[in-house]
Amino acid sequence: GAVVSQHPSWVICKSGTSVKIECRSLDFQATTMFWYRQFPKQSLMLMATSNEGSKATYEQGVEKDKFLINHASLTLSTLTVTSAHPEDSSFYICSARGSLAGGGEQYFGPGTRLTVT
Amino acid sequence: QQQVKQSPQSLIVQKGGISIINCAYENTAFDYFPWYQQFPGKGPALLIAIRPDVSEKKEGRFTISFNKSAKQFSLHIMDSQPGDSATYFCAAWMDSSYKLIFGSGTRLLVRP
Repeated sequence: GAVVSQHPSWVICKSGTSVKIECRSLDFQATTMFWYRQFPKQSLMLMATSNEGSKATYEQGVEKDKFLINHASLTLSTLTVTSAHPEDSSFYICSARGSLAGGGEQYFGPGTRLTVT
Repeated sequence: QQQVKQSPQSLIVQKGGISIINCAYENTAFDYFPWYQQFPGKGPALLIAIRPDVSEKKEGRFTISFNKSAKQFSLHIMDSQPGDSATYFCAAWMDSSYKLIFGSGTRLLVRP
């Protein structure tokens, strides 16, 4: 149980275009989803937290107009990178937390590798 | 105060040996301490987690030791195997901030 999927697993886009990444909880209802960014050989950095049906809370330094997050249902959250630039190239990982989860228990997706050319 | 400091940055262990990774924190409001294993190109997978009211937790070859007074916790991997070669992250969570704070990671290599 507690499976989180991401789609696509990797994507290449041209500078200036937008790309959408989906995060789905497959076997539980995710009241909260988190989006992380990870650069090579570095740790995970939290970008934003989203609760179903409400606006996402962004971490300091994360541009909310550039990284659009939508958590429209209890099983789906999307991250849209708008007007992507090469510096947005990174590994994006989502995680999901169910309503019955204790403490910080959350389950991570497999990640999406974004390359902006 | 929100930081979690992890060491060592990298670790090489012979097959069958014990791998030990350490983490330290400052904020006593943290109340959940998970360890994650990450393989290249994959998302982190929860290995084992502990709460501060317990000093040790064991699951198979993985053990967390927790020292509340020292504000430190560690992961021990017994009988380390080449398949354990991965990056390990400790993390800490507090309900008041509703976020996981990750350590910097430890790259473990287990030699055959």
